[in-house]
Amino acid sequence: SQQGEEDPQALSIQEGENATMNCSYKTSINNLQWYRQNSGRGLVHLILIRSNEREKHSGRLRVTLDTSKKSSSLLITASRAADTASYFCAPGAGNNRKLIWGLGTSLAVNP
Amino acid sequence: DTAVSQTPKYLVTQMGNDKSIKCEQNLGHDTMYWYKQDSKKFLKIMFSYNNKELIINETVPNRFSPKSPDKAHLNLHINSLELGDSAVYFCASSLAESTEAFFGQGTRLTVV
Repeated sequence: SQQGEEDPQALSIQEGENATMNCSYKTSINNLQWYRQNSGRGLVHLILIRSNEREKHSGRLRVTLDTSKKSSSLLITASRAADTASYFCAPGAGNNRKLIWGLGTSLAVNP
Repeated sequence: DTAVSQTPKYLVTQMGNDKSIKCEQNLGHDTMYWYKQDSKKFLKIMFSYNNKELIINETVPNRFSPKSPDKAHLNLHINSLELGDSAVYFCASSLAESTEAFFGQGTRLTVV
């Protein structure tokens, strides 16, 4: 299965600090996506990185991908209280078999 | 305009009942999904469906069945509801395989 496993499971930081979350997966992928879920809401797509890319930026987000280690990281810089949410990675294969996403990383940004 | 909408938002029902959750997307996407998120926040795909292929997660009981009247709708029908079916169910859609998925706001199902 294309399971993404996020690490750490929980992260608590102060506003203004950077937050780093990691994701590991087991099989070959053609891209990897990161999503955010606010409490009680649906998931929102943040960023997609293709398997031939090593790094991608979007605003305060920076994603890296290391296909040799089957891992990815999501860095949120200058965090804000509004970044408090759970973050999930979704490894994607050609047949879209994102079967199990994992528990995500629960990020708490304290004002 | 809401991209992916699902109804109802909350559903409380008794064991043994049959219920449906509706999902509609106005994005023109070809692929739609149903996910289940349990109380531990574990998110698992149940079905992936486009007009060509239905992919079923083999761990999903056959009491669950997707029904697609047209490309913009994928409803989830559940027979003989059990306590363990209590969870939040999310509908999602994407343009193609492995592209960005858009999620609905979820349906919180409580079986009593």
